[in-house]
Amino acid sequence: EAGVVQSPRYKIIEKKQPVAFWCNPISGHNTLYWYLQNLGQGPELLIRYENEEAVDDSQLPKDRFSAERLKGVDSTLKIQPAELGDSAVYLCASSRGGGSEQFFGPGTRLTVL
Amino acid sequence: GESVGLHLPTLSVQEGDNSIINCAYSNSASDYFIWYKQESGKGPQFIIDIRSNMDKRQGQRVTVLLNKTVKHLSLQIAATQPGDSAVYFCAENAGNMLTFGGGTRLMVKP
Repeated sequence: EAGVVQSPRYKIIEKKQPVAFWCNPISGHNTLYWYLQNLGQGPELLIRYENEEAVDDSQLPKDRFSAERLKGVDSTLKIQPAELGDSAVYLCASSRGGGSEQFFGPGTRLTVL
Repeated sequence: GESVGLHLPTLSVQEGDNSIINCAYSNSASDYFIWYKQESGKGPQFIIDIRSNMDKRQGQRVTVLLNKTVKHLSLQIAATQPGDSAVYFCAENAGNMLTFGGGTRLMVKP
């Protein structure tokens, strides 16, 4: 069974530029999560989707961050414009349902210069 | 606010010895706890979990202990191997939301 796929794996951009991350969850997993992980810290939830509906986005900085999961499968997380403090690893995870075991992708390491 | 934290940021053990990684939590409403292992350049990987109505659960070479009285969670790894070197996170689940602690780095000396 293929795991959670994320791309790109690494991204370097200058501040004020836009950036997008893509996630393909495990087949059949209805729940998709985006997390932010700073160096040496645990992941922090940004947004959770149940199928195509965002059911928890309270931690998503909506002034510059946006996400979508139009067909309830793949998801895209966007930052526009990026700031220096956005440098981190962005992790995507999926599960069969809320409360079930979450499977994480390898993450996208973002560096904002 | 409610938080999940770890006592030690780095743990160094000799290969073959047992490792114990500790975690304190404060949200008494959490009903489910999970330990994750994260290797460099990878996402967190599920190791073992325990529900709040249990105090001990064993897996292959790993044991999780839950002490609800003092809100303490520990991960025991038997016969630690070089492949166990990683950062370990505890996480608590409440209302379908996972909250992670800050992580402990386990270093295994040959």
